[in-house]
Amino acid sequence: DAGVIQSPRHEVTEMGQEVTLRCKPISGHDYLFWYRQTMMRGLELLIYFNNNVPIDDSGMPEDRFSAKMPNASFSTLKIQPSEPRDSAVYFCASSLLGEQYFGPGTRLTVT
Amino acid sequence: SQQGEEDPQALSIQEGENATMNCSYKTSINNLQWYRQNSGRGLVHLILIRSNEREKHSGRLRVTLDTSKKSSSLLITASRAADTASYFCATEKNNNDMRFGAGTRLTVKP
Repeated sequence: DAGVIQSPRHEVTEMGQEVTLRCKPISGHDYLFWYRQTMMRGLELLIYFNNNVPIDDSGMPEDRFSAKMPNASFSTLKIQPSEPRDSAVYFCASSLLGEQYFGPGTRLTVT
Repeated sequence: SQQGEEDPQALSIQEGENATMNCSYKTSINNLQWYRQNSGRGLVHLILIRSNEREKHSGRLRVTLDTSKKSSSLLITASRAADTASYFCATEKNNNDMRFGAGTRLTVKP
């Protein structure tokens, strides 16, 4: 398996623009997680899904953030409108038996 | 909070020395996991220790868990320059909901 795949790897956008981050989990994994990592706040859990159903989105910062998982092999994290404070590395991870496998991350810069 | 907190924040040692990193948490957990992150990369799972286990080994890694003190330690023996990375503990209470600490930045000097 290729592991967790995220795209794009880097995204630079202007404030106010919509940003969509994509994730393909490892085949067969039934949990999918979205994290955000910054120097100030460290690694934060934003939302996670079990069998494509959102279980806990309490970590989503505000209504500008939304996540979907239309099927077992794809998830998106959308920010609309984006703000400079959203600049961070966003990680997707998937798991089956507790151990999480992380993707390479998307480095988002909002100017 | 369930979130683990690592100590120290940064650690610098010479190659060949042992490195010990600690993690404390506040609530009961099902298991505790340690992850490693190289600069600019995603996290890589190192080891999982369940709440009914006290010690676990994997190669040069040794993890202990003391649920009465709500603490864990990660020991890397005979460190190498390639061990330079950030190390995170993550506590899982239920349903795969894991919370990560701020991490320990380990530097191993050749």
